[in-house]
Formats: sequence, C-alpha cells, structure tokens
Amino acid sequence: KAGVTQTPRYLIKTRGQQVTLSCSPISGHRSVSWYQQTPGQGLQFLFEYFSETQRNKGNFPGRFSGRQFSNSRSEMNVSTLELGDSALYLCASSTPSGGSLPYEQYFGPGTRLTVT
Amino acid sequence: EDQVTQSPEALRLQEGESSSLNCSYTVSGLRGLFWYRQDPGKGPEFLFTLYSAGEEKEKERLKATLTKKESFLHITAPKPEDSATYLCAVQAYQGAQKLVFGQGTRLTINP
Repeated sequence: KAGVTQTPRYLIKTRGQQVTLSCSPISGHRSVSWYQQTPGQGLQFLFEYFSETQRNKGNFPGRFSGRQFSNSRSEMNVSTLELGDSALYLCASSTPSGGSLPYEQYFGPGTRLTVT
Repeated sequence: EDQVTQSPEALRLQEGESSSLNCSYTVSGLRGLFWYRQDPGKGPEFLFTLYSAGEEKEKERLKATLTKKESFLHITAPKPEDSATYLCAVQAYQGAQKLVFGQGTRLTINP
C-alpha cells in the first residue's frame, strides 16, 4: 500500500508570495491533517479535513488555509509569505474517525519551504 | 490547554545500554497517546498507540507504557540504527484528529 505523498518536496519562495502544497493520503483514508514543524516550536497542528470539511483548526493566522477534494487529496495554501513561515510542512492521513478510539496518523515526507 | 513535555531533550547511549524516555502530559480527556520516530529530513514514523492507563505495547527493542500522567518508552539493548528523534503526542476526545506533540527526545546510540 502506497504511503502518504506530498508535493513538492522542496520549495523556495520570496516574502510576500503565496504557495500551495499538495498531499495525497493513503488509499481509503478520509482524514487529512496538516502540521508545521520548526526547530523552535516543534510540530504544531494547522488543521484537519474530513470528507471535504474542516473539522479542527490550530492557532495560526488566516494566511494559512486548506481544502480537501472529493478523492480525499488535500492542499494547503499560505498567502503573503513571511520569513517565519520557513518550515517543514507535514501532512498526515488516518482512517475514518467516528467512535471513541483514536486512529493512527501516518505522515508523509513533508515539504521543506524556505522563505527568503 | 493540552500539553506534552518530553525528557530528556537529548540522550546518548552506548550500544546495548538500555534506558527510558519520558513523556508527561496534561489533556482534557485522553483519547490516545502516540509514539513516533523521526529520522532527519523525514516525516514521523508511527510506532505505538496507547489508550488507557496500565497498557503496554512492544515492538522489537521498544516497549511503551502508559499511566494517567505519563508514558515511558523503554529501549532495551539499543543498536545504532535506533538513533532518531522520538516524539510523543496526545489526542483529546474533543480535538477530532488533532495531535499535540512534545518537543521530542533526540536519541544517539554509539557503536
């Protein structure tokens, strides 16, 4: 079974530009979550999508947005890039959640974004 | 606010020298606690899920345990290939799939 894939793997952008990152979940997984990882803050939750609906959002400014398509693929967008947005952006997918048990999240390799 | 604290921040061991990593947490209704391993430049790799206090899970040289306030990752007779950053995360009932991560423990095993 193929794992979570993310494109592109590396990206260099200039301050003020916008960027779109893509994530394809494991086949059959309907929940996709996005995380930002930096040396100072560690892994921080951005948002989660399930069946094309955003179910939860972390404490990030409105410049960070996302969406999910009917095939469960997801994209996240960052507008008006700032130097502090340089980070590894990770996507994770999991099986449908509806009960009380947690479902493991499987991470992709990430997209390394550098803002200059 | 849900919080996870991992200790130590970094740990160096000799090959074969067993030790434990700690993960302390506060969460409003624990749905699950997760352990991940992350190698440099890669995404976290899932290791274990623990659901309730007293639970234990094992995989090769790793064993994870859970109490009401903390979790331990025991590493028995480690090998150099066990070198990685180990991350602990919690998921609350009211957070959908949101994971709250600790800062990680960077483990180095010297041959």
